[in-house]
Amino acid sequence: QKEVEQDPGPLSVPEGAIVSLNCTYSNSAFQYFMWYRQYSRKGPELLMYTYSSGNKEDGRFTAQVDKSSKYISLFIRDSQPSDSATYLCAMSVGGGSNYKLTFGKGTLLTVNP
Amino acid sequence: NAGVTQTPKFQVLKTGQSMTLQCAQDMNHNSMYWYRQDPGMGLRLIYYSASEGTTDKGEVPNGYNVSRLNKREFSLRLESAAPSQTSVYFCASSALAGPTGELFFGEGSRLTVL
Repeated sequence: QKEVEQDPGPLSVPEGAIVSLNCTYSNSAFQYFMWYRQYSRKGPELLMYTYSSGNKEDGRFTAQVDKSSKYISLFIRDSQPSDSATYLCAMSVGGGSNYKLTFGKGTLLTVNP
Repeated sequence: NAGVTQTPKFQVLKTGQSMTLQCAQDMNHNSMYWYRQDPGMGLRLIYYSASEGTTDKGEVPNGYNVSRLNKREFSLRLESAAPSQTSVYFCASSALAGPTGELFFGEGSRLTVL
């Protein structure tokens, strides 16, 4: 089993829809959870960052972490065509020379006008 | 606001040729990274440099070498390119190699090995 599993999609939704993107993981030591957004032919950029379990909201975006289920989610409300991108989850543990960051494979999202 | 700059953006090589991908950041970050991104494989870490003067292997280091030239620059060298190294390469930097270190990525270098 890979450490981080993410459904690659593609996911296609109409404008205004609520989007749910998910990752599961197997390493219970992961403590920090991130979502990166990658537009076509660009590098990833950090979208949201959470520590441990719980929810974090930023505008139309909500990140949710359930450590008991080893499951993280990103919700996008009122999705816009500009949200069309690949979304990568990432998880990390440790620091310094023991730091480990693992990415999911990414989910391709298209929001249709 | 240059951030992380990678050169070249595109390159075609023949099997066995060598080349160096250059990366520079202007954010005074301590840590720098080289990733490759392949369809169905996601981002995989090749090498990283937690601080100036140190480099360490990542998940897929075979066939690559790196040099942390100074605090700003981190280069990736392919000594004898193979078709399996056809990929998009991303350089990234962060203020520190730790869980609170947000990665800032360049726009990528697209390499094709024939």
